[in-house]
Amino acid sequence: GNSVTQMEGPVTLSEEAFLTINCTYTATGYPSLFWYVQYPGEGLQLLLKATKADDKGSNKGFEATYRKETTSFHLEKGSVQVSDSAVYFCALRTGGSGNTGKLIFGQGTTLQVKP
Amino acid sequence: GAVVSQHPSRVICKSGTSVKIECRSLDFQATTMFWYRQFPKQSLMLMATSNEGSKATYEQGVEKDKFLINHASLTLSTLTVTSAHPEDSSFYICSASSPGTAFFGQGTRLTVV
Repeated sequence: GNSVTQMEGPVTLSEEAFLTINCTYTATGYPSLFWYVQYPGEGLQLLLKATKADDKGSNKGFEATYRKETTSFHLEKGSVQVSDSAVYFCALRTGGSGNTGKLIFGQGTTLQVKP
Repeated sequence: GAVVSQHPSRVICKSGTSVKIECRSLDFQATTMFWYRQFPKQSLMLMATSNEGSKATYEQGVEKDKFLINHASLTLSTLTVTSAHPEDSSFYICSASSPGTAFFGQGTRLTVV
């Protein structure tokens, strides 16, 4: 079946450090891939997405590239800030870019950025 | 971007009572809405998929008689936790889907005492 696996957290970094959160997936067909962010006490917000192989999603300094050959969608940021502290979820959805089907989430990775 | 409003954000109820959570899509019509449950330090688990005007489809292991879902219009879905017990305490999040992406409500922290 379809699944998403993220690196375990928490990830603790100093401000301005480089961030990588690994995400790999298993899916039939050609899924769309997403990163969502959940700030303390809030719901999920879409951070970025990619709908086909080799696409790069980017937003707020975060990037992730859809790598079909390694079934990965690792999240990166060159210089993290304290305000980036949150839980990050990798997710997939099968059925093409126009699909409105359910999302399958990874377990989430908590990022703590210290000043 | 699209906004999904979920209400209430927090609720405390007594064991045995029922609680209704509303999820509204404010600026688009959501033909499909999803309800997720999130346990502490865990991922979101899909509870059910709700299509406007039809019965919800529940994931395996989710009691449909306990978690009543109504999707009467393209902008409103409700989740009612009936005869709540302390083990139902959790963070419930709705999601309204549009082609290519999904938008999430702010979540509802339910505490059953």
